[in-house]
Amino acid sequence: GQQVKQSSPSLTVQEGGISILNCDYENDMFDYFAWYKKYPDNSPTLLISVRSNVDKREDGRLTVFLNKSGKHFSLHITASQPEDTAVYLCAAVNQGGSAKLIFGEGTKLTVSS
Amino acid sequence: EAAVTQSPRSKVAVTGGKVTLSCHQTNNHDYMYWYRQDTGHGLRLIHYSYVADSTEKGDIPDGYKASRPSQENFSLILELASLSQTAVYFCASSDWGKDTQYFGPGTRLLVL
Repeated sequence: GQQVKQSSPSLTVQEGGISILNCDYENDMFDYFAWYKKYPDNSPTLLISVRSNVDKREDGRLTVFLNKSGKHFSLHITASQPEDTAVYLCAAVNQGGSAKLIFGEGTKLTVSS
Repeated sequence: EAAVTQSPRSKVAVTGGKVTLSCHQTNNHDYMYWYRQDTGHGLRLIHYSYVADSTEKGDIPDGYKASRPSQENFSLILELASLSQTAVYFCASSDWGKDTQYFGPGTRLLVL
């Protein structure tokens, strides 16, 4: 089954609003969680990551929230801009395991002006 | 200068033909990966390698082989290309102990 799942294939947010992207995972052993951003016809690039010993990490307009008991993590983008329009891929890995980063299916975020 | 490069950037292949996709990295990373991207599936891991001359199966290895002749180079081989292998293929590299993956630009493969 899908170990990392993004249940929303798409999301539309007004410019200036908060974009909330969600990701659920199954494996209790995952201890590293990341969000990658992908523009059409481009390669994914790492946006922000967090290890399992923290519940939250902020970086500018980006915040990752980790809920280990709920096996859920999310990416919040404040003051969303049209240039935030892209596909967002969540990913997780067990660093003590085989170093295989498992990706979700992706959520297409559209920020409308 | 791009640290992970892929060649070719696009290719049209015939069903049953052999296809080789190449990846080169200058990051001095131990780990290299091959993924395919399909709509609705995100990125799925085909093969990966953590040392030269050794490869490991990923989550969807059937129909693919991999080769890691050196730390810098990692190839994906389709011995008998099939229509279902039409996809965009991404190569990536990462450092041991650091899980940030750095992706190449992708190869768009169309099998007819």
